[in-house]
Amino acid sequence: DIVMTQSPDSLAVSLGERATINCKSSQSVLYSSTNKNYLAWYQQKPGQPPKLLIHWASTRESGVPDRFSGSGSGTDFTLTISSLQADDVAVYYCQQYYNTPITFGQGTRLEI
Amino acid sequence: QVQLQQSGPGLVKPSQTLSLTCAISGDSVSTNSVSWNWIRQSPSRGLEWLGRTYYRSKWFFDYAVSVKSRISINSDTSKNQFSLQLDSVTPEDTAVYYCARGDCSISSCYIDYWGQGTLVTVSS
Repeated sequence: DIVMTQSPDSLAVSLGERATINCKSSQSVLYSSTNKNYLAWYQQKPGQPPKLLIHWASTRESGVPDRFSGSGSGTDFTLTISSLQADDVAVYYCQQYYNTPITFGQGTRLEI
Repeated sequence: QVQLQQSGPGLVKPSQTLSLTCAISGDSVSTNSVSWNWIRQSPSRGLEWLGRTYYRSKWFFDYAVSVKSRISINSDTSKNQFSLQLDSVTPEDTAVYYCARGDCSISSCYIDYWGQGTLVTVSS
């Protein structure tokens, strides 16, 4: 199984400041024939299911604010929130879908 | 807009079978470019993918090794829904269970829609 490791486990950022969450996979999730990274990011608020923010490592889902961006390739990825809003307080997860079983990181709790 | 509505009991006795159903609206269970997944979440295990089914001219099934001997995922095209059965449950199976749709490139799928979640407690 591909192990996904996020850092940090928790993060406190001031309103309007940048938040950066890292995700590392135990093997590359870049598929050479498609040149795509099979990596997604989710946001989860209490009592709700996860919400898809980004897929293919950097493609923002429709309706997701452009302050959210994803980057990276191979085994190292980053989710950046450019200017933190109060509504962004949540737990964030990365997930690989390169192969089954799909696997998730342990989550990063983002606070103000 | 795809919506997934879960149903099933929130309390299951040890050694019995956990059964959940996910009704689909806004899509078809036999759509060729998606998968239908069950995922659970607990404080001890985090988000754990359990398995999926998908249709590509015939039905395919993939299961996590950790539950492979106990799990069954089925689809019902007449009711446009899919279901989870997990046999011989123990308290370690206590979790919030989600059904979810995968948007697929061949068989590699990111999860784009989730059900509301069902807290299933295994206790006598």
